[in-house]
Parts: sequence; structure tokens; C-alpha cells
Amino acid sequence: QSVLTQPPSASGTPGQRVTISCSGSSSNIGSNTVNWYQQLPGTAPKLLIYSSNQRPSGVPDRFSGSKSGTSASLAISGLQSEDEADYYCAAWDDSHVVFGGGTKLTVL
Amino acid sequence: EVQLVQSGAEVKKPGESLKISCKGSGYSFTSYWIGWVRQMPGKGLEWMGIIYPGDYDTRYSPSFQGQVTISADKSISTAYLQWNSLKASDTAMYYCARARSIWWPPELIYWGQGTLVSVSS
Repeated sequence: QSVLTQPPSASGTPGQRVTISCSGSSSNIGSNTVNWYQQLPGTAPKLLIYSSNQRPSGVPDRFSGSKSGTSASLAISGLQSEDEADYYCAAWDDSHVVFGGGTKLTVL
Repeated sequence: EVQLVQSGAEVKKPGESLKISCKGSGYSFTSYWIGWVRQMPGKGLEWMGIIYPGDYDTRYSPSFQGQVTISADKSISTAYLQWNSLKASDTAMYYCARARSIWWPPELIYWGQGTLVSVSS
């Protein structure tokens, strides 16, 4: 059971907008920023969003993040087939990081 | 170019010890936190711990405290993850990753290719 709760799966059609939620508590999301990672099959994770809503250089602006209270969301607009991957949220909790269980995004 | 190159796959028996490595290049090794993340077969990501090579400050997840040791050698720009007595449940892919910036908190942006550890009798 992960400390951060994500839906196990999500889906959408090309061009659609999808959101993935991440629910935590006052000790993690409620008091720290959230990061989002994308993991394509057979590859290392990639940082998509940091500080809850910042994109690293090279990440398309189709990806956006938000945080409110003890929850966070990742939104992907203009869904593309190459977005099919696992997505993980993460946040600091005391002196360590906790991950969500991951959401498998399927592009139909 | 920032690169993290991890040591190769390992096949070990239960009870054996192991130390895997992560060599950083293309940046000041002592200025950025390096973290370790476990991914068991078919499962999600688990944060194990993180080290600041500049002063060897190390933080562990409570789930991994006492189970592994994270260390670094500044002289060769290499971080390590070590087990004294492996268990079958340690079978997993292990990733090292470097922080995005020198500021706290460290977000892991540059990732190694992963080291697959298989533990079986």
C-alpha cells in the first residue's frame, strides 16, 4: 500500500485531455511540493513535473501539474500515442520521499 | 552532458553481499544529491535513500533503513548501494538518479540505466 494514492489506470483517445490524481496527507503533499515521473516500458523514469507545477527543459507544455491541499494532479492535453506509460507522483514526507503506486495510462 | 552509468547486472545467492555502483560525469559530483530507487518486477517505484557526496549526508526511507547502505567516493565520482546479506525479495531493478539542482529539495532528473539484481538459490 503506497503512502500516496493514485488510480491504477487511466485512458483516453488521441487529442483528448486526461488527468491523473494523487492523494496524500498533511505530512507529505500538504506540506511539500509534488513531482511527477513518466516511465515508458523498459526504460528509466523521467522527471515530468517538479515543484508541483514546473516543467523541466524539454518537457512539452501538454503536461501540467497542480496541487491543492493534500492532493495533486497531472494533466495531459492533446494526448498522443507516445504518452502511453506509467505515471508516478512523489513527495517528501518528513526526511524521505514517498511515491504513489503509479497509474498506467492507455491511449485507446 | 550529465551522465550516470551504473554497474552491470548481478546474479547472487541469498545471504551473499553485494555493492552496486553509479558513476557520475559531466558535472560537479560533490554538489548534487544522488538518490536510489527500487523497482521490483512488475511493480512501482520505491524511494530508498539519498546521499550528498559533498559531505556524505545520507537520508534513508524507513522501509530501507538498516537493510542497505548508501555511500559515495568523491575521488572517483561514484555512489554505491550495498547489501550485507541479500534476500530473494531484493530481486529488483535499482536506479540511481541525480538531483535537478543544488537546492533542497532534490528532485531526481538525471537517471542511470538501472542495475538488475537477481537473488535466487
